[in-house]
Amino acid sequence: NAGVMQNPRHLVRRRGQEARLRCSPVKGHSHVYWYRQLPEEGLKFMVYLQKENIIDESGMPKERFSAEFPKEGPSILRIQQVVRGDSAAYFCASSSLVQTQYFGPGTRLLVL
Amino acid sequence: KQEVTQIPAALSVPEGENLVLNCSFTDSAIYNLQWFRQDPGKGLTSLLLIQSSQREQTSGRLNASLDKSSGRSTLYIAASQPGDSATYLCAPEGGSGNTGKLIFGQGTTLQVKP
Repeated sequence: NAGVMQNPRHLVRRRGQEARLRCSPVKGHSHVYWYRQLPEEGLKFMVYLQKENIIDESGMPKERFSAEFPKEGPSILRIQQVVRGDSAAYFCASSSLVQTQYFGPGTRLLVL
Repeated sequence: KQEVTQIPAALSVPEGENLVLNCSFTDSAIYNLQWFRQDPGKGLTSLLLIQSSQREQTSGRLNASLDKSSGRSTLYIAASQPGDSATYLCAPEGGSGNTGKLIFGQGTTLQVKP
């Protein structure tokens, strides 16, 4: 990848807790995308953000999930009251306009 | 709604073979198409990006073609090596009503045997 950073790389939560996943895009990129890869399934789009704006959240579950990309700081994907079905790898990607999306290493969330 | 299909789902070949991985998509109004590689438990590595106005892109032993009107892309891997073993993902970007998000196929899992 070209410098997208995600942390933590691994996150363990108990059911009902909150999970906060962070993504720092490539320097200068103002477009951030979140994708989820459930076990044994393909990558699915969740949300597309630009600085301070949600452009497309058509892939986000209606409840418990939210995302932000503030003017300063990383993009955050927040999952409230996690359930076992939220266990997955969450990938962040960034791009400059309509160009190659560069992916981070992912955060692997395990809900016990 | 964009749908992406990759064939075959899995492929096992001896080292040195030339390979063809196929990708088809239902909505041809795309901005571009990317091919990625994913190693087990790892993130995605972008291999090639083909703009909608282009026919093909090459990088080393990899060549990707795009036939936008028929909704097809093909990834050619020449002289395969064991290190090429991974899952290969095709992802068109855009399409009617899409805002730049990537729609992924299920992937082709490749094993190259020494």
